Amino acid sequence: GDSVTQMEGPVTLSEEAFLTINCTYTATGYPSLFWYVQYPGEGLQLLLKATKADDKGSNKGFEATYRKETTSFHLEKGSVQVSDSAVYFCALGLGRGGYNKLIFGAGTRLAVHP
Amino acid sequence: DAGVIQSPRHEVTEMGQEVTLRCKPISGHDYLFWYRQTMMRGLELLIYFNNNVPIDDSGMPEDRFSAKMPNASFSTLKIQPSEPRDSAVYFCASSPTRGRGHFDGYTFGSGTRLTVV
Repeated sequence: GDSVTQMEGPVTLSEEAFLTINCTYTATGYPSLFWYVQYPGEGLQLLLKATKADDKGSNKGFEATYRKETTSFHLEKGSVQVSDSAVYFCALGLGRGGYNKLIFGAGTRLAVHP
Repeated sequence: DAGVIQSPRHEVTEMGQEVTLRCKPISGHDYLFWYRQTMMRGLELLIYFNNNVPIDDSGMPEDRFSAKMPNASFSTLKIQPSEPRDSAVYFCASSPTRGRGHFDGYTFGSGTRLTVV
């Protein structure tokens, strides 16, 4: 069935380090792909998205490229800040007759230390 | 728009009591979703509505849980009677109908943290 697999956390980094959070998916059809971020005590917020193969989504210094050949959508940031500490969710979106179903990964907690 | 609005932000109740969580979706969004988030089980979809009609409630854990959407701007999730294992953060989210290339995901509320003692 359709699913999303994320690397397990927590991921602990020092400020200004390079970040990669791996995400792979299994899906029938042609999904859209998303990264959501959840800061402590808040709801999930859309971070970036990509709708077709080779699209790159980017926002706030984060980016991810839709790789159909490897069914992946890894999240990267060149230099993390303490304020990036949060839980990151990869998700795939599947259209079903007007209804867009989002399937979330388990989430990856990122902790950035000064 | 003020986004998806949930109330209350925090709720502490005693086991056996009825709990009602409230949600106001973004105006114009015709899909509404209720999620539960726990450390053990992660993010779970409980139920979703389309145009105020419940479409899939297969994620509702037990008959103690019920959800309604009496109009396009209001939904409730009720737990009666509540139990300690219902303690979690409950999120409401909404989304408009969009073609695949124009889908921007769901917009989530800030959640209600429920503690049942």
